[in-house]
Amino acid sequence: SAVISQKPSRDICQRGTSLTIQCQVDSQVTMMFWYRQQPGQSLTLIATANQGSEATYESGFVIDKFPISRPNLTFSTLTVSNMSPEDSSIYLCSARTNSGNTIYFGEGSWLTVV
Amino acid sequence: GIQVEQSPPDLILQEGANSTLRCNFSDSVNNLQWFHQNPWGQLINLFYIPSGTKQNGRLSATTVATERYSLLYISSSQTTDSGVYFCAVVDRGSTLGRLYFGRGTQLTVWP
Repeated sequence: SAVISQKPSRDICQRGTSLTIQCQVDSQVTMMFWYRQQPGQSLTLIATANQGSEATYESGFVIDKFPISRPNLTFSTLTVSNMSPEDSSIYLCSARTNSGNTIYFGEGSWLTVV
Repeated sequence: GIQVEQSPPDLILQEGANSTLRCNFSDSVNNLQWFHQNPWGQLINLFYIPSGTKQNGRLSATTVATERYSLLYISSSQTTDSGVYFCAVVDRGSTLGRLYFGRGTQLTVWP
């Protein structure tokens, strides 16, 4: 299994500002992903975080708005840039371990933009 | 991408009742997981079950891959079972592990 820690767990942000969310996994993983969950909705994949190279973004998400880093096999960051109230969501980091196919999630970062 | 449909969208139960949640998916998969999202937003992995049947306490799950559906059974429900249950799949052609989520079933268990 894998334990995934995210921080911050919760934040209230002013519109126009940017916030970086950190994701730390307790073991080396093959794949890391970032998802967004808007209020009352299901989860939507933002991007796949690639170690040592640029992230792969899903349709509707762009690097300028959601820059992602993954400097090593256990750590990734997601920045939500120039925030607006529409960015109020839970942002979740997930990872697939080297040893199996199960995908694990962090506890989520609950952002409210005012 | 692959389509995932969950039913029912909402379920209200009295404590002690049993329930069945269903997940239908539109294409072959090599990964299917059930998650429980608690009121604090945390996603708890319940089962990794691309095929077959598994049990864990009061919960069990069955996936019939050839017919493209999975069922989650909750027996003797408790108030702590409340939350949203998500089914998520990885399509068979994917090597990345990208999950496609259903819209979830909102379960409320009353004492």
